[in-house]
Amino acid sequence: NAGVTQTPKFRILKIGQSMTLQCTQDMNHNYMYWYRQDPGMGLKLIYYSVGAGITDKGEVPNGYNVSRSTTEDFPLRLELAAPSQTSVYFCASRSAWENQPQHFGDGTRLSIL
Amino acid sequence: KNQVEQSPQSLIILEGKNCTLQCNYTVSPFSNLRWYKQDTGRGPVSLTIMTFSENTKSNGRYTATLDADTKQSSLHITASQLSDSASYICVVTSPGFQKLVFGTGTRLLVSP
Repeated sequence: NAGVTQTPKFRILKIGQSMTLQCTQDMNHNYMYWYRQDPGMGLKLIYYSVGAGITDKGEVPNGYNVSRSTTEDFPLRLELAAPSQTSVYFCASRSAWENQPQHFGDGTRLSIL
Repeated sequence: KNQVEQSPQSLIILEGKNCTLQCNYTVSPFSNLRWYKQDTGRGPVSLTIMTFSENTKSNGRYTATLDADTKQSSLHITASQLSDSASYICVVTSPGFQKLVFGTGTRLLVSP
């Protein structure tokens, strides 16, 4: 099992560019999440999904979009990149059973210049 | 406001020594409390999950405690190893799959 796989690992974007951060999991988890982690801060929830075709906003959704067409994949789209979106982005998944841990990918380090 | 506060922010200990990390929270309602280990450049990995009725849970050399009355938790690391150098994150969950509040973590450095 690969777990949660994120690509790319690193990316530098120019202001105004767009890109998609990829996330796929092979554990057949219904719940998937996108977080951002800024230096000295706790992880902040951007978007989450409870199953294919169902997504909802988290704490900090502005400037991002998601889709969930399959159980395995949960891409995060940045439109019109801004310097404030410079961060490390983590995707996570969890089974629907109560009190189960989230499984995280190793992150995408994104710089907007 | 739902918050999770961890202390200390950072800690340096000698290899083989024990240490205890603290987590205080104001999150309500409460479902469970989790401790994660995050190695540099990696995603967090779950160490323990404790529900309201559990006050101690161990995972190898890691032992977590929970006092739901005072809303405090601790993570005790026994006989530290160099590989324990990482950030340790406390996360408190409310009922509902998306309601997790993350602490900012304690950065632990185990020195030889």
